[in-house]
Amino acid sequence: NAGVTQTPKFRVLKTGQSMTLLCAQDMNHEYMYWYRQDPGMGLRLIHYSVGEGTTAKGEVPDGYNVSRLKKQNFLLGLESAAPSQTSVYFCASSYKSELVTQYFGPGTRLLVL
Amino acid sequence: LAKTTQPISMDSYEGQEVNITCSHNNIATNDYITWYQQFPSQGPRFIIQGYKTKVTNEVASLFIPADRKSSTLSLPRVSLSDTAVYYCLVGDKSFKTIFGAGTRLFVKA
Repeated sequence: NAGVTQTPKFRVLKTGQSMTLLCAQDMNHEYMYWYRQDPGMGLRLIHYSVGEGTTAKGEVPDGYNVSRLKKQNFLLGLESAAPSQTSVYFCASSYKSELVTQYFGPGTRLLVL
Repeated sequence: LAKTTQPISMDSYEGQEVNITCSHNNIATNDYITWYQQFPSQGPRFIIQGYKTKVTNEVASLFIPADRKSSTLSLPRVSLSDTAVYYCLVGDKSFKTIFGAGTRLFVKA
C-alpha cells in the first residue's frame, strides 16, 4: 500500500494563478481531509469529506474549493492564489469508524509570490 | 470542540523517560484523547489513543486520570530520533478535533 500520496510535492505560484492539489489514498477510507500548516503552528482544517460526492468546510475554508468525485481522491483547488496561502498542505484520510486516527500524506509545499 | 493546552517545548537526554502532559478541561463524555508525532517536513503520525486509565503500545504509554481533564504521554528511554513535535487532540471524530501548536521535544545526546 502506498497509503496517502500527494502531488505535487512543491509548487511556486504567482498571485492570481490557480492550481489543484491532488490527494490519493489506497486504504479504502471513507473520510478525507485537507489541512494547512504555517511555520511554528499546528495544522488547521480547510475542508473535509465524509464520503464520495460530499464535502464540508473546516476551520479555514476561504479561498479554497474541494471535490471528492472518487472515493480514493480528494482535490484541493486554489482559484486565485494569494501570498497568504503560502503554506504546507497536508492531506489525510481515516476509516469512518476509527474516531480520530488519521493517516497523513507527505505534504505539498506551496509558495505564492 | 475541546481545547487542549500543552507545554510549548521540552528538552531531554537520550535514555531518559519523557512525560508530556496535556490539559483538556472541557473534554466531553464521548471524546477520546489522541496523540500524534510530527517530524520536520513530514505529516503527523498517530502514536496512541485512549479513553480512560492507561493505554500502552510498542511506542508509548498514555495515562488518563479518572476525571479525564488531562492526559500524559510517556515516551520510555527516548533517543535522538524522538526529536519531534507532539500533538494532543481531543474529540470523537476527526473533523471535530483541533491540532494546537503541539510540544516541541528536543532530545540531546
